[in-house]
Amino acid sequence: GAVVSQHPSWVICKSGTSVKIECRSLDFQATTMFWYRQFPKQSLMLMATSNEGSKATYEQGVEKDKFLINHASLTLSTLTVTSAHPEDSSFYICSVGVGSHYYEQYFGPGTRLTVT
Amino acid sequence: TQLLEQSPQFLSIQEGENLTVYCNSSSVFSSLQWYRQEPGEGPVLLVTVVTGGEVKKLKRLTFQFGDARKDSSLHITAAQPGDTGLYLCAGIITGTASKLTFGTGTRLQVTL
Repeated sequence: GAVVSQHPSWVICKSGTSVKIECRSLDFQATTMFWYRQFPKQSLMLMATSNEGSKATYEQGVEKDKFLINHASLTLSTLTVTSAHPEDSSFYICSVGVGSHYYEQYFGPGTRLTVT
Repeated sequence: TQLLEQSPQFLSIQEGENLTVYCNSSSVFSSLQWYRQEPGEGPVLLVTVVTGGEVKKLKRLTFQFGDARKDSSLHITAAQPGDTGLYLCAGIITGTASKLTFGTGTRLQVTL
């Protein structure tokens, strides 16, 4: 498997500000990481696939200018929520894909974002 | 449209009871995983199945992948309070590279 960390674990910010969430692969060189969003009592929804050294691939309906993803190294991907609004409040989780087809994913502990 | 439907959505049982959670789709999956998630934490991988008809056991948990690779089930024997959590199936649809589609989730509560 892979050990994945996220920072911060929770953050509260004011509407209109930007927030950066870090996802680190601690023991595995990850060329691909994934970012998910989870609303209370719901399942995970894939937001984007983060590719090391290239642009992220966003899912339909996810605004790439609002959710900026940077994957500058094999151990770090960042998600920046720009000009956050209360509707962006959610649980954001990253994962690392392992294996030739990344069919096994190991998840970070998540970051709870609250926008006031 | 949710590609992976889980049933039941919520299950509350007493310690010692058995239960089965189902994960169904009209799509064919090249692989399917089961995860368990506790509140405020990320999902933890329990098992991966890749072959139609495959059965895997993890202590009191038995996982089965359907022959046509469109469905899966998770059976828990003699449930314990420590089994409480959100169970998620997730799979990679054949022909879609690496994207994991998650099921709707089954919230299990096991009481003493």
